[in-house]
Amino acid sequence: NAGVTQTPKFQVLKTGQSMTLQCAQDMNHEYMSWYRQDPGMGLRLIHYSVGAGITDQGEVPNGYNVSRSTTEDFPLRLLSAAPSQTSVYFCASSYGERGPQYFGPGTRLTVL
Amino acid sequence: SQQGEEDPQALSIQEGENATMNCSYKTSINNLQWYRQNSGRGLVHLILIRSNEREKHSGRLRVTLDTSKKSSSLLITASRAADTASYFCATKGNTPLVFGKGTRLSVIA
Repeated sequence: NAGVTQTPKFQVLKTGQSMTLQCAQDMNHEYMSWYRQDPGMGLRLIHYSVGAGITDQGEVPNGYNVSRSTTEDFPLRLLSAAPSQTSVYFCASSYGERGPQYFGPGTRLTVL
Repeated sequence: SQQGEEDPQALSIQEGENATMNCSYKTSINNLQWYRQNSGRGLVHLILIRSNEREKHSGRLRVTLDTSKKSSSLLITASRAADTASYFCATKGNTPLVFGKGTRLSVIA
């Protein structure tokens, strides 16, 4: 099993550009989530999904969109990038909302 | 809002010593989880303790949970240089999993 994969590993955007961060898992996990990690802030939840077709907002959802058309994939879209979105983004999955989460390697995003 | 708060923020010890990290939280929980993050990497799940459990062991790791004090501790025994990492507690209650800001552990050889 590849586990949780994320692409790209690094990305530089200009303010106002849009992009999609990809996340896929091959463990048949129902629960998937996106976090951002900033220095001194720990991990903050952006969006999460309890199954295909179901998504919900986390603590910091503004400026991001998600969709979950399949169990395997959970892409995160930045609609109009801002410097405040410079961060490291992690995708995670688990069997259920209460279980241990498996994390991807992260995407380091810089917005100029 | 972040529920789990780790203490200390940073810890530096010699190889072979024990390392203890603490986590405090504010509201009732279903379970509490500990994760490790090596620099530049994704988080790795270490151990999950349910609200009706008081202690759990996994190898050199020992986790305790005191729901009356709303606190947990992670003990790493006989630490190694490879244990150098950030350690996060995460609480699961009625909301999605909430992470603390972490403890940075440095183990000096």
